Amino acid sequence: DAGVIQSPRHEVTEMGQEVTLRCKPISGHNSLFWYRQTMMRGLELLIYFNNNVPIDDSGMPEDRFSAKMPNASFSTLKIQPSEPRDSAVYFCASSLYPYGYTFGSGTRLTVV
Amino acid sequence: QQQVKQSPQSLIVQKGGISIINCAYENTAFDYFPWYQQFPGKGPALLIAIRPDVSEKKEGRFTISFNKSAKQFSLHIMDSQPGDSATYFCAASLYNNAGNMLTFGGGTRLMVKP
Repeated sequence: DAGVIQSPRHEVTEMGQEVTLRCKPISGHNSLFWYRQTMMRGLELLIYFNNNVPIDDSGMPEDRFSAKMPNASFSTLKIQPSEPRDSAVYFCASSLYPYGYTFGSGTRLTVV
Repeated sequence: QQQVKQSPQSLIVQKGGISIINCAYENTAFDYFPWYQQFPGKGPALLIAIRPDVSEKKEGRFTISFNKSAKQFSLHIMDSQPGDSATYFCAASLYNNAGNMLTFGGGTRLMVKP
């Protein structure tokens, strides 16, 4: 298995632009999570899906952030418009009970 | 509200020494406690995990000790090696098939000196 696949690995964009991060979970996993990691705030859960349904999006910073999971093999996290304070590493992870999470390698986002 | 508190934030250990990282949780409903290891430029990777029905779990040089009454658990790395230098995260969650929403500690940056 190729693991959780995230794209792009790096993204540099200008403030105000739309950014879309992509994630392909491990086949058969039924839960998917989006995390943001910064030095100041550590790992923050943004949103998670169970069986493609959003369960908890209380961690989404504001309306500029949105996430979708149209099917079991694909999810997106969109930021529109992006701001410099959104600069972080964004991780996608998937899991299947009773096993733990598998994280992707992350997308390093820089908003200038 | 930070539900999982991790200490220390950073740790320096000599090669061959024992590294100890501690975590405390608040939610007594948590029943799954994993540790993750993260190398620079990589995502966190599951290292070892424990359920509260046991007080200790060992896998190679890595041991989790769990104290349910104190709501604390710790990671011990025996015979620490330079290759163990990484950031370690403890976490806690409910353990069910509705989606295990992990709450992570703040992380400990471990450096093992040769």
